[in-house]
Amino acid sequence: AQTVTQSQPEMSVQEAETVTLSCTYDTSESDYYLFWYKQPPSRQMILVIRQEAYKQQNATENRFSVNFQKAAKSFSLKISDSQLGDAAMYFCAIIKAAGNKLTFGGGTRVLVKP
Amino acid sequence: KAGVTQTPRYLIKTRGQQVTLSCSPISGHRSVSWYQQTPGQGLQFLFEYFSETQRNKGNFPGRFSGRQFSNSRSEMNVSTLELGDSALYLCASTSGTGGTGELFFGEGSRLTVL
Repeated sequence: AQTVTQSQPEMSVQEAETVTLSCTYDTSESDYYLFWYKQPPSRQMILVIRQEAYKQQNATENRFSVNFQKAAKSFSLKISDSQLGDAAMYFCAIIKAAGNKLTFGGGTRVLVKP
Repeated sequence: KAGVTQTPRYLIKTRGQQVTLSCSPISGHRSVSWYQQTPGQGLQFLFEYFSETQRNKGNFPGRFSGRQFSNSRSEMNVSTLELGDSALYLCASTSGTGGTGELFFGEGSRLTVL
């Protein structure tokens, strides 16, 4: 079984500042993928960033980057230069390489102050 | 390219009734999975269908069922509705060849059980 834990129910950030969301996970799989998904209010969930577990290099997507610590089973998301449109629920998720079943964390609500 | 389409978007039912939700995946995607999202339990995997076959199943009672048609469209059915079934039901599609790719989510069907 896989588990994902997000310890921060809510984070607040000033516009243009940086915020880091924490995520820890547990899995017995050796080959898996980690994701951060964004769910804006009343809108569909979209992928923010993906990390293959076998890659040591941390993934980046524009203002979004991750700090992947495989031994510690940690997968944090950093949002740089925060914008009002970044306000949303963020979910950390894991999937084993052989399947399409996502296991999600409880989510972190990000508030962006103008 | 059209996204994942879920219908209906909102519905209200009473206890004991049954409900059918529909999901049309992105063209070419053969895998469709369903998730239940509630404030208390978060996002939980219901089941996944690939080429009309259920490939994975979550830990939900038998009242929750699904199917997939030859055109990859999927339906999920909940019979004998309970108050606790009130939730946002999300459908996601992917090509289905393995857990390496992004899952594309629909906007969800919000079910309220009275």
